[in-house]
Amino acid sequence: EPEVTQTPSHQVTQMGQEVILRCVPISNHLYFYWYRQILGQKVEFLVSFYNNEISEKSEIFDDQFSVERPDGSNFTLKIRSTKLEDSAMYFCASSERLVGSPLHFGNGTRLTVT
Amino acid sequence: DAKTTQPTSMDCAEGRAANLPCNHSTISGNEYVYWYRQIHSQGPQYIIHGLKNNETNEMASLIITEDRKSSTLILPHATLRDTAVYYCIVNENNAGKSTFGDGTTLTVKP
Repeated sequence: EPEVTQTPSHQVTQMGQEVILRCVPISNHLYFYWYRQILGQKVEFLVSFYNNEISEKSEIFDDQFSVERPDGSNFTLKIRSTKLEDSAMYFCASSERLVGSPLHFGNGTRLTVT
Repeated sequence: DAKTTQPTSMDCAEGRAANLPCNHSTISGNEYVYWYRQIHSQGPQYIIHGLKNNETNEMASLIITEDRKSSTLILPHATLRDTAVYYCIVNENNAGKSTFGDGTTLTVKP
């Protein structure tokens, strides 16, 4: 069964550094998402992406965050200058359609900012 | 998107059916009911979804009441590996307004 893959599984970075989290969505899916989960807290929506544009973003997704689909297979989340509070699990997801189609999640990247 | 209410936790004996309820009394006509689960800190795993009719797949069954104000996820023969947090989410589209609440922590016991 096709799946969403994320790399790396764990990323450690120093405060103020830039990080890029990578995702390969399911190949025939058209909609892409990033969610995050701070340890012990709820899964939170960050951003949705379709047709090379951001569809929606939450208030968490400020100017420090950006997303890109640099080629036909990868979908990336960049955090320009990491803060301690960015430490979390970051989950990429994709869906075939916008309506009536479930999200398929990767297993996440654990980001630790020191 | 409609808000959902789920019990905080439930226990189930291994091999028995696990019935997880979800209340979504403010659901609108275009909103789907989705169920996901999360095991430890893994990514949420899609289980099943439906609009009006009951649905069944290899993992579970979804029973939606006629007025669509509530639903029940049924795991027919729970195993220890089904221990997880189960989320009921209602939304019209995936654009991002749907949120994961606290879900139901299901513990399957031997």
